[in-house]
Amino acid sequence: IAGITQAPTSQILAAGRRMTLRCTQDMRHNAMYWYRQDLGLGLRLIHYSNTAGTTGKGEVPDGYSVSRANTDDFPLTLASAVPSQTSVYFCASSDSVRDTGELFFGEGSRLTVL
Amino acid sequence: GQNIDQPTEMTATEGAIVQINCTYQTSGFNGLFWYQQHAGEAPTFLSYNVLDGLEEKGRFSSFLSRSKGYSYLLLKELQMKDSASYLCAVMDSNYQLIWGAGTKLIIKP
Repeated sequence: IAGITQAPTSQILAAGRRMTLRCTQDMRHNAMYWYRQDLGLGLRLIHYSNTAGTTGKGEVPDGYSVSRANTDDFPLTLASAVPSQTSVYFCASSDSVRDTGELFFGEGSRLTVL
Repeated sequence: GQNIDQPTEMTATEGAIVQINCTYQTSGFNGLFWYQQHAGEAPTFLSYNVLDGLEEKGRFSSFLSRSKGYSYLLLKELQMKDSASYLCAVMDSNYQLIWGAGTKLIIKP
């Protein structure tokens, strides 16, 4: 089934540990995004990539890094997790940055940092 | 700053009609989106408006007034499965999406 796959679905992590959230899409979409969703707040963009080999910072990039080595994969790394990074993380992709911009989301990764 | 406002929660009755409003102030405008998100699930696309007016898609319609910075999502013939959060998002001049916090819609029998 075509779509976006995220892993892990959920994770409990000790503060200070390194964590990588994986995201893979098989729709050959150029643009990919990482969002975090917190109660009472809108989705906030962490990092994005308009095409393979390029990345950019979103609204809340501090403490996170991404890479886009190929079209399909867009991992998000927390170098040293802190409790404020407890959130639900969504990976998303779109066919084009400037068209209708419809985003296709993964099922989310629920991360708890203790 | 950029801002998207929508009600936090609304309640409606099965079979009825509900209108969810969204007002926005953004740096430029390249379209407004509505997404549906069931609890514990990913958001899914509902509608896109870039020109003023009403876009109808089955039981759901979305309206846009760019001069007023205003949109609404209209849901007709409500069903229990419509219980979800509805997210309003605006694409700004940099083609970045700015998201509202979402409106939780509760449908009662």
